[in-house]
Amino acid sequence: DTGVSQDPRHKITKRGQNVTFRCDPISEHNRLYWYRQTLGQGPEFLTYFQNEAQLEKSRLLSDRFSAERPKGSFSTLEIQRTEQGDSAMYLCASSLNSGNTIYFGEGSWLTVV
Amino acid sequence: EDQVTQSPEALRLQEGESSSLNCSYTVSGLRGLFWYRQDPGKGPEFLFTLYSAGEEKEKERLKATLTKKESFLHITAPKPEDSATYLCAVLNYGGATNKLIFGTGTLLAVQP
Repeated sequence: DTGVSQDPRHKITKRGQNVTFRCDPISEHNRLYWYRQTLGQGPEFLTYFQNEAQLEKSRLLSDRFSAERPKGSFSTLEIQRTEQGDSAMYLCASSLNSGNTIYFGEGSWLTVV
Repeated sequence: EDQVTQSPEALRLQEGESSSLNCSYTVSGLRGLFWYRQDPGKGPEFLFTLYSAGEEKEKERLKATLTKKESFLHITAPKPEDSATYLCAVLNYGGATNKLIFGTGTLLAVQP
């Protein structure tokens, strides 16, 4: 499978705990994106990387959220001190370059109880 | 502010009953308009990219068209397996590069 890979697919956590999601983009794709999607809504942009550089963060990304892409390959999205409002599907996507098609992974579902 | 509006919110068709989904957009400068299909519990699956008014693209029973203000996704003789949520998104020149702005989608149900 050469698509965008995300892990874990599902995560249930207690409020206040930290969670981390991993994304492996399509090989040789320079750009990597994180989006968040709640039921009945379209995906909302969170942040993106050009290689290892994080070039933009949405104001949706509070201080409890941090994303990294060491060495410009896989990426992690960590949420600290989770809140019930963080419950959503976290989508990772990648593209070869600016303006190219953006391909999404299957998403990581987070439920905060 | 850049905005994407999709209509209808939900559409129920009989198998073989053709129809169209609408995506209206307002952007400072359109770089591309994307259509995705999303099945329940899964990530969006890429369908088409349109770059300029008048452009059309086809894939099996789907055809996407673009004008300066809106895009249509035409579904010809749909089958039950076409049931999904169809998302429209735009990419603009202004602001952040490569930030897709999505609509809320059209939930399509095709009954046999």
